[in-house]
Amino acid sequence: DAKTTQPNSMESNEEEPVHLPCNHSTISGTDYIHWYRQLPSQGPEYVIHGLTSNVNNRMASLAIAEDRKSSTLILHRATLRDAAVYYCILRREGGTSYGKLTFGQGTILTVHP
Amino acid sequence: DAGVIQSPRHEVTEMGQEVTLRCKPISGHNSLFWYRQTMMRGLELLIYFNNNVPIDDSGMPEDRFSAKMPNASFSTLKIQPSEPRDSAVYFCASTRAYLQNNEQFFGPGTRLTVL
Repeated sequence: DAKTTQPNSMESNEEEPVHLPCNHSTISGTDYIHWYRQLPSQGPEYVIHGLTSNVNNRMASLAIAEDRKSSTLILHRATLRDAAVYYCILRREGGTSYGKLTFGQGTILTVHP
Repeated sequence: DAGVIQSPRHEVTEMGQEVTLRCKPISGHNSLFWYRQTMMRGLELLIYFNNNVPIDDSGMPEDRFSAKMPNASFSTLKIQPSEPRDSAVYFCASTRAYLQNNEQFFGPGTRLTVL
């Protein structure tokens, strides 16, 4: 599986935008970029995913570089509830992977009031 | 929908004892995943099922671990005999396979402590 690289930690202030980077230089054409987050003492939860185009949903935006070797998860206005570990994951479509997810170490986001 | 249900939420046992963790996936989901999370190793996929059939168990650490999915609404992960190094949080997740999004829904986890 192609690997992702994320900063170990980031900090933000409440109500400010947060840009969480992810590098995936060995991404293949059939790899989707998925983001999950894990709030304290909870299981991971899906945030957003994309293939080539930028994506928006109610939780966040995903900006994907033109060469797809990097992406950025954008939280437009961070709240204290957004403090979590954010995982950037490449998920291969098709074959026998059945949507298998491989989690890395993620980025610990701290949000200051 | 109640989401993915796991039981027990906490389990404390002694080394050598058998431990059984249970999972009820979201109704209608046909893929189920078991993960283990520790500080040292992070989140690891242990095994996953599709339509109740084990597809990939390469993440199962050793023969002491076994998982079953007798029907679409129930799965178990068993550790026999348990060891202190098995202490971790075990998550179950489910999804509908073959959908383009294929978002996985995780349960709240079972925190296992083996003394």
